[in-house]
Amino acid sequence: NAGVTQTPKFRVLKTGQSMTLLCAQDMNHEYMYWYRQDPGMGLRLIHYSVGEGTTAKGEVPDGYNVSRLKKQNFLLGLESAAPSQTSVYFCASSSPQGYTEAFFGQGTRLTVV
Amino acid sequence: AQSVTQLGSHVSVSEGALVLLRCNYSSSVPPYLFWYVQYPNQGLQLLLKYTSAATLVKGINGFEAEFKKSETSFHLTKPSAHMSDAAEYFCAVSGGNTGFQKLVFGTGTRLLVSP
Repeated sequence: NAGVTQTPKFRVLKTGQSMTLLCAQDMNHEYMYWYRQDPGMGLRLIHYSVGEGTTAKGEVPDGYNVSRLKKQNFLLGLESAAPSQTSVYFCASSSPQGYTEAFFGQGTRLTVV
Repeated sequence: AQSVTQLGSHVSVSEGALVLLRCNYSSSVPPYLFWYVQYPNQGLQLLLKYTSAATLVKGINGFEAEFKKSETSFHLTKPSAHMSDAAEYFCAVSGGNTGFQKLVFGTGTRLLVSP
């Protein structure tokens, strides 16, 4: 009964380094999302996907790329990390209907120094 | 476009006191509304949701919320706070059921419970 699993849970990067955050869900959900959470700003949508092979930009997409090659996985990439990308990142998934809730992973705490 | 306003970034109550966390929404279509709770160093967990059935919605851990269309509000309440309720609470809105309906979050309210 895993739900939504994110790896890694913690990471420290140097400015300019790259990394990929992995999200996996086992609920056969069509929709997947990447959010970032910063103090006082709630959760802001970075990118989302409405199905395998599709991605779209959210509120704060700059500096990030995503891919959804398999329905159960949604990858978030940082090509050249910046201190402004220090944040807690959450992946979520949901069914397409608006009345269904999103299920969240445990988060990845990323620090860029 | 939908939006959510949560009044008060921090709310402090004593154990046993009433909890009231405020949420007002803006939506051009009939909304779906959600309250999530986040305990320290964890992800978000659904407390309750409004999906146009009953306007008074009961959730987990004794929380409930009432949808008031005339006031565009969906405030979260609990009659008697417990120490374990200390967490951050997020209100969220999505609209309609056609096409992609983005889930929009408020900025969150941290609930502090004192003995």
